[in-house]
Amino acid sequence: GESVGLHLPTLSVQEGDNSIINCAYSNSASDYFIWYKQESGKGPQFIIDIRSNMDKRQGQRVTVLLNKTVKHLSLQIAATQPGDSAVYFCAESPTRGSQGNLIFGKGTKLSVKP
Amino acid sequence: DAGVIQSPRHEVTEMGQEVTLRCKPISGHNSLFWYRQTMMRGLELLIYFNNNVPIDDSGMPEDRFSAKMPNASFSTLKIQPSEPRDSAVYFCASSRDRGRGYTFGSGTRLTVV
Repeated sequence: GESVGLHLPTLSVQEGDNSIINCAYSNSASDYFIWYKQESGKGPQFIIDIRSNMDKRQGQRVTVLLNKTVKHLSLQIAATQPGDSAVYFCAESPTRGSQGNLIFGKGTKLSVKP
Repeated sequence: DAGVIQSPRHEVTEMGQEVTLRCKPISGHNSLFWYRQTMMRGLELLIYFNNNVPIDDSGMPEDRFSAKMPNASFSTLKIQPSEPRDSAVYFCASSRDRGRGYTFGSGTRLTVV
């Protein structure tokens, strides 16, 4: 499959531990944020999203935290499993001059050790 | 729901040849996006359409690249002539509403030799 980057930040965790993946976004006008998961040879897959009027949102085993003050987004994965191994991208949606465009970060590679 | 369907999955072509990538968005989605992914640049937006109309093509690298969406269920991305630096994975994505999460296709891995 496609290797999405030799120079990606990498997070290595033990199976069963919690993972935290961080992302700094660029546009203070962005009001919508998404985390995507990309496995080798596949397209990015939606995980969870959050709007700027919230600072936390929970899904199944995942939580997204938004800190607008420092323009920081994080994804927490509880009880990380080998199937969580992938590259994770954050994406932001600017509000001005945009009609649905998403801007993606560079990605973080999560490696889960059994 | 078959998701976003892209073809071909893999394409190997010689420099100078024309390449056409195809995409069928999810039925009912009114926005369609073409992205390119490389190791050096990550995911780059090339162009997106809303209701079959190109809205922003500022990401298209140069005149060798063109994209069309003749109807709500089909889009093409054409490269003519292709060059080795065009080698990448090209993704198509669609969404139902503005500012919502996209659904991506499986991508077309293009290799230009």
